[in-house]
Amino acid sequence: DQQVKQNSPSLSVQEGRISILNCDYTNSMFDYFLWYKKYPAEGPTFLISISSIKDKNEDGRFTVFLNKSAKHLSLHIVPSQPGDSAVYFCAASVKWGSARQLTFGSGTQLTVLP
Amino acid sequence: DVKVTQSSRYLVKRTGEKVFLECVQDMDHENMFWYRQDPGLGLRLIYFSYDVKMKEKGDIPEGYSVSREKKERFSLILESASTNQTSMYLCASEQNTEAFFGQGTRLTVV
Repeated sequence: DQQVKQNSPSLSVQEGRISILNCDYTNSMFDYFLWYKKYPAEGPTFLISISSIKDKNEDGRFTVFLNKSAKHLSLHIVPSQPGDSAVYFCAASVKWGSARQLTFGSGTQLTVLP
Repeated sequence: DVKVTQSSRYLVKRTGEKVFLECVQDMDHENMFWYRQDPGLGLRLIYFSYDVKMKEKGDIPEGYSVSREKKERFSLILESASTNQTSMYLCASEQNTEAFFGQGTRLTVV
């Protein structure tokens, strides 16, 4: 029973266009959401996050949108660059004592074509 | 910069062996995690620790144990390795909201 779902295992986009990666969650206790980027044979690196009290967060070419009523978030990359080609993981977070427990989606492989 | 270091990038072990995966972080974070990554399944939480000598089971703890004797070090132990534990293992440390990952250990059990 996946609490965080990324329904698209892969996405191909032309360089310069917009990439939109989607993520759905089921647990309404999640109150913080993150996107991580992962290259092969490396650990995931943090990209951008959003608190449940916001509906948008922007950082350069990356924007995350949160729709709490739909339990849906998306990552927009504009403009897409070949170096953005990687696996993108959506993660949802809930506080557990002093820790924040992350639940990850299955990932979306983004390929940006030159 | 936060640094999370895993002791090995690649490991090959035999079925039945006891396997230790070590992870060290240098940012004095209280919270540390072990995940495994498998194709189509994303990252799944095995165990986490919120303090020295404290541990909590994640989603898939069976066949694993952990040890946290010092704040900076979190070890994952495969008591008797099996072929279905062939995977990429990722350690992370976290404080407040963001988790920082190590480079991963690709474990193959033959």
